[in-house]
Amino acid sequence: EDKVVQSPLSLVVHEGDTVTLNCSYEVTNFRSLLWYKQEKKAPTFLFMLTSSGIEKKSGRLSSILDKKELSSILNITATQTGDSAIYLCAVVPRGGAQKLVFGQGTRLTINP
Amino acid sequence: SQTIHQWPATLVQPVGSPLSLECTVEGTSNPNLYWYRQAAGRGLQLLFYSVGIGQISSEVPQNLSASRPQDRQFILSSKKLLLSDSGFYLCAWNSGLETQYFGPGTRLLVL
Repeated sequence: EDKVVQSPLSLVVHEGDTVTLNCSYEVTNFRSLLWYKQEKKAPTFLFMLTSSGIEKKSGRLSSILDKKELSSILNITATQTGDSAIYLCAVVPRGGAQKLVFGQGTRLTINP
Repeated sequence: SQTIHQWPATLVQPVGSPLSLECTVEGTSNPNLYWYRQAAGRGLQLLFYSVGIGQISSEVPQNLSASRPQDRQFILSSKKLLLSDSGFYLCAWNSGLETQYFGPGTRLLVL
């Protein structure tokens, strides 16, 4: 059974700190890995990582895929209170209708 | 641009009552559609997905059903709600590529 595990489940830091969120996966036939940010309601898409695109960056956020270790990290530098959210990692196996397998999420709280 | 709608935003229902949640997508045709449930503090669990009108695949056995009567409409239903059906229900779509885009969600509380 395909599985995604995120760590830590919860993290509290001060504004300005740098954080690293982890995602590890066990997938029969890996296609891609996605990161989402969820505040009050709908998850919003951050990054997609594939074999041909293992590193992505957008502003203070960056993500790396390690296919050998079957894992990914999401880095946020110079954190702001607006970064407080649940960060979800999901893996897409090959085949089928692009069904996402989600991890439990990491709840990140940034204190001023 | 594409937009996804869900309603209602919040719903409080008694145990044993029926349920109908609706999701519609604008600005695209023949999308893949998905229903997820998110329990408090947890990740998303895929409930149903559909690759076309009338085509529904169920991921987990449960008290719920789904239908897709039109290309851009996806409905989640139940004949009799259970307490365990409480949660946050999210509809999502994609165009056949990996990235899924989510609607605003419906928060369901069964009492």
